[in-house]
Amino acid sequence: GQSLEQPSEVTAVEGAIVQINCTYQTSGFYGLSWYQQHDGGAPTFLSYNALDGLEETGRFSSFLSRSDSYGYLLLQELQMKDSASYFCAALGEDTGRRALTFGSGTRLQVQP
Amino acid sequence: DTAVSQTPKYLVTQMGNDKSIKCEQNLGHDTMYWYKQDSKKFLKIMFSYNNKELIINETVPNRFSPKSPDKAHLNLHINSLELGDSAVYFCASSPGHSSYEQYFGPGTRLTVT
Repeated sequence: GQSLEQPSEVTAVEGAIVQINCTYQTSGFYGLSWYQQHDGGAPTFLSYNALDGLEETGRFSSFLSRSDSYGYLLLQELQMKDSASYFCAALGEDTGRRALTFGSGTRLQVQP
Repeated sequence: DTAVSQTPKYLVTQMGNDKSIKCEQNLGHDTMYWYKQDSKKFLKIMFSYNNKELIINETVPNRFSPKSPDKAHLNLHINSLELGDSAVYFCASSPGHSSYEQYFGPGTRLTVT
């Protein structure tokens, strides 16, 4: 089976740095993706880690440790527009079938 | 240009009715998906099609039937709607089969009364 855990809610102030953690139990694990979803909007792809280490894309970075079954999304220089839900999603294979399984999402509230 | 589009955006209907949601992508992708997002925002895959062939069919009631007339379209037909079907349904596409990077449509908010 596949399961992911992430905090339900995180609050931070503008300009700060926030880290959203994700632990996973995934058979046939390929890698970990992160998606952002604003209220009323569609999930949009942010990043993907297949290998251990940090991937940086502008203000956002994502980290993966395969040995710990753990990853995180790091958001720097927070802006009000970053208020959204963030989902980790594990790409894994189960019974010969590959699929992306989403976590339950972390709601980030950025305060002025 | 809209990459992945869905119609309708909102759908309000009564229990027992049959309804369809349409999805189209103009990205030239081979794989399309249907996801259901419940009120707690949990996003769960329902179906996946690769080049019009059904790849993933999760434990979904057989009242839900996907149809892919060509690889740019994936429609979802729901029979005998129930209150528990109320959710937001997202269509998505990706260049390869079950890719880590998927492009989502705007969603269809289905409310069953």
